[in-house]
Amino acid sequence: NAGVTQTPKFRVLKTGQSMTLLCAQDMNHEYMYWYRQDPGMGLRLIHYSVGEGTTAKGEVPDGYNVSRLKKQNFLLGLESAAPSQTSVYFCASKQNYGYTFGSGTRLTVV
Amino acid sequence: GIQVEQSPPDLILQEGANSTLRCNFSDSVNNLQWFHQNPWGQLINLFYIPSGTKQNGRLSATTVATERYSLLYISSSQTTDSGVYFCAVEVSGNTPLVFGKGTRLSVIA
Repeated sequence: NAGVTQTPKFRVLKTGQSMTLLCAQDMNHEYMYWYRQDPGMGLRLIHYSVGEGTTAKGEVPDGYNVSRLKKQNFLLGLESAAPSQTSVYFCASKQNYGYTFGSGTRLTVV
Repeated sequence: GIQVEQSPPDLILQEGANSTLRCNFSDSVNNLQWFHQNPWGQLINLFYIPSGTKQNGRLSATTVATERYSLLYISSSQTTDSGVYFCAVEVSGNTPLVFGKGTRLSVIA
């Protein structure tokens, strides 16, 4: 039972490049989330999904898109990366009140 | 939206000391959780505690929902307790967790 798996773990992008972060969970959870963590800011919600085929905006959605085509996967896309998107990205899934977080993706945009 | 404030922002302890971390929130919640982020970045769920008191070894937590605050107690601290402690709340079952900015704890041997 792997829980929540994020790929890649590290990535360096040039300004303007695009990429997709993948989150996969094997617990059959309905709810999935993408957060970003910046120094001194805690975790801030980017987008979330309450089930397969659904997505919703969080606190800081600008510059990101998401898709939940399959229940177990939640993809976070950056169409044109900017230095302000340098951050650590965490994916999470939830069933009832229990949250499981992935180990994070450290993204640097230069 | 709901505001979550944690105090203190930073805390340095000698090994063996006790500490209390506080979380204030601005609205009624149906879910409150405490997390520990270890020095490697992993987020570990410590407590689900929307009200009442729970204990798990040297850690315990109390939430007074009517007064909108929660406390996390760490007794006999160890160096492995170092990291960042986050409080996070849900207003309802369908709303995502909102995090505080965390308390950074450093335990020195």
